[in-house]
Amino acid sequence: DIQMTQSPSSLSASVGDRVTITCRASQNINSYLNWYQQKPGKAPKLLIYTASSLQSGVPSTFSGSGSGTDFTLTISSLQPEDLATYYCQQIYSTPQTFGQGTKVEIK
Amino acid sequence: EVQLVESGGGLVEPGGSLRLSCAASGFTFSNTWMTWVRQAPGKGLEWVGRIKTKTEGGTIDYAAPVKGRFTISRDDSKNTLFLQMNSLKTEDTAVYYCATVSGKNWGQGTLVTVSS
Repeated sequence: DIQMTQSPSSLSASVGDRVTITCRASQNINSYLNWYQQKPGKAPKLLIYTASSLQSGVPSTFSGSGSGTDFTLTISSLQPEDLATYYCQQIYSTPQTFGQGTKVEIK
Repeated sequence: EVQLVESGGGLVEPGGSLRLSCAASGFTFSNTWMTWVRQAPGKGLEWVGRIKTKTEGGTIDYAAPVKGRFTISRDDSKNTLFLQMNSLKTEDTAVYYCATVSGKNWGQGTLVTVSS
């Protein structure tokens, strides 16, 4: 099975800050990586697919990069509504494993 | 508008069974790979399994913790995805989501509680 390791597990940043979350796969997954945002009590929402493609309707403050084993989700200017937990998921092979999540808090 | 609506959750005793349903609308269900994902209280997302379309063989894959106990199926005539859960354990307690494999569409989730 492919293991997905996210870091950090949590972070606190100010409104307007640039925030970076990383996800590392235990083996090469090409660009078969999704990023999700999950707010408390809600279903996950797709932000980025195939590592760097912005899902329709998602603000352009979100971006993704990487391929192979190392990936990054960037929020270029943190907004209050970005308070959430963020997950990566590899869709290269089954089981389609998730990272453990990164909780983003607003200072 | 794409909609996925789960139902069938509830309280069940250890060793019991439960069948979850996911009613799909707003897209061509029969052409879409579907998946179940769960989330235990206060924990992260866990992939449960996935079913391909019938035209692509209908292949089903499961996560190790549920293999042999859970069964995913689909009824394309009713645009519905199912998750049959048998021999339930306390560690199966979670919110269960159905979603398209692409990740673009998710249901609201249904809570399954396994407790005596």
